Amino acid sequence: KAGVTQTPRYLIKTRGQQVTLSCSPISGHRSVSWYQQTPGQGLQFLFEYFSETQRNKGNFPGRFSGRQFSNSRSEMNVSTLELGDSALYLCASSLGQGFGYTFGSGTRLTVV
Amino acid sequence: DQQVKQNSPSLSVQEGRISILNCDYTNSMFDYFLWYKKYPAEGPTFLISISSIKDKNEDGRFTVFLNKSAKHLSLHIVPSQPGDSAVYFCAASAYEGSSNTGKLIFGQGTTLQVKP
Repeated sequence: KAGVTQTPRYLIKTRGQQVTLSCSPISGHRSVSWYQQTPGQGLQFLFEYFSETQRNKGNFPGRFSGRQFSNSRSEMNVSTLELGDSALYLCASSLGQGFGYTFGSGTRLTVV
Repeated sequence: DQQVKQNSPSLSVQEGRISILNCDYTNSMFDYFLWYKKYPAEGPTFLISISSIKDKNEDGRFTVFLNKSAKHLSLHIVPSQPGDSAVYFCAASAYEGSSNTGKLIFGQGTTLQVKP
């Protein structure tokens, strides 16, 4: 079965721009969560959606937002990009608590 | 506040020997623990998990041990193979309805090198 698909794989943006990243979860998975990985901070939780509702949010500024659609696909948006937003953004899907989380390959965002 | 800690940034072992990766946590609300393997520029790959109602889970060469009283878990890889060389992350999650619902808290990772 298809895994978690993230698009695009690579992205270069300029400071001040905004960006939208997409994640298609494994079929049947209703939980989608997003993580940021940077060399200094490791893997940091951004937010989690379950059945189109945001259930949890990490300690990131309001420039980071997301949403989930009725087919469980999710998008995250970062507005007014800063150099420090350069990172690998990972999406994970799951059936729910007590089940494993499957990660996509990530989107490498570079802000210049 | 680092709720999940992997105190060893790196570990080097000889092929065929045992690799032991350790992880400590502070939040007693965590009830599900996972280990992931990760290569640069790729997403983490799930290895093995354990529920807090168990103290051991085994899957092939991988065994995870959980010591709830010590808030400690470890991943054993036996025998270690060169292809196991990667960064290993432990992660923890909490039950539905808690403030940690739906999220994984990751440790900082341990880089494992298995020498031929």
